Amino acid sequence: GAGVSQSPSNKVTEKGKDVELRCDPISGHTALYWYRQSLGQGLEFLIYFQGNSAPDKSGLPSDRFSAERTGGSVSTLTIQRTQQEDSAVYLCASSFIAGGETQYFGPGTRLLVL
Amino acid sequence: SQQGEEDPQALSIQEGENATMNCSYKTSINNLQWYRQNSGRGLVHLILIRSNEREKHSGRLRVTLDTSKKSSSLLITASQAADTASYFCATWTGGFKTIFGAGTRLFVKA
Repeated sequence: GAGVSQSPSNKVTEKGKDVELRCDPISGHTALYWYRQSLGQGLEFLIYFQGNSAPDKSGLPSDRFSAERTGGSVSTLTIQRTQQEDSAVYLCASSFIAGGETQYFGPGTRLLVL
Repeated sequence: SQQGEEDPQALSIQEGENATMNCSYKTSINNLQWYRQNSGRGLVHLILIRSNEREKHSGRLRVTLDTSKKSSSLLITASQAADTASYFCATWTGGFKTIFGAGTRLFVKA
């Protein structure tokens, strides 16, 4: 079956613009995670969904960041009024259930804010 | 230090040699996973080892877990150029979150 897909692959935007990043998880996976990875760094946890609910949003860096998931499937991560420090690779992963299970990652969206 | 730190940060070896990477963590875990990342893109799951396990194998990969020392090691035997990647350990202490370390960058010279 298909793996996790993310779009766009690359996004270049100007400072102050809003961007939307999309993640299509593996069908049947109830848990979905968003991470951010700056160049040469580890993964920074942003938010996770169990179904359509996001029980913990404390990893979101600021109130410019928001995420939603609909139908227990597709998720979008929205960054409003982008800043240069938002430049990073945004990775999405899904797993059968949340908590300690193998996570299957998408290829990521590389965001560059000019 | 944070939960899940890999050591060394970078490793360069010749093709055919073995590569060993270590992961140390601070709090008790339920399981520990190793992932590989090529070219800064998506991570690929390698092995999951549970807290009551001490060693697991998968092909050329061998993972050990020492809960008394709160550490794990990943051994890649007979390395190949295709093994060049970053390797991350990820620890699960319960709840929903799996915490990833900063990674070890492995470079295998042909």
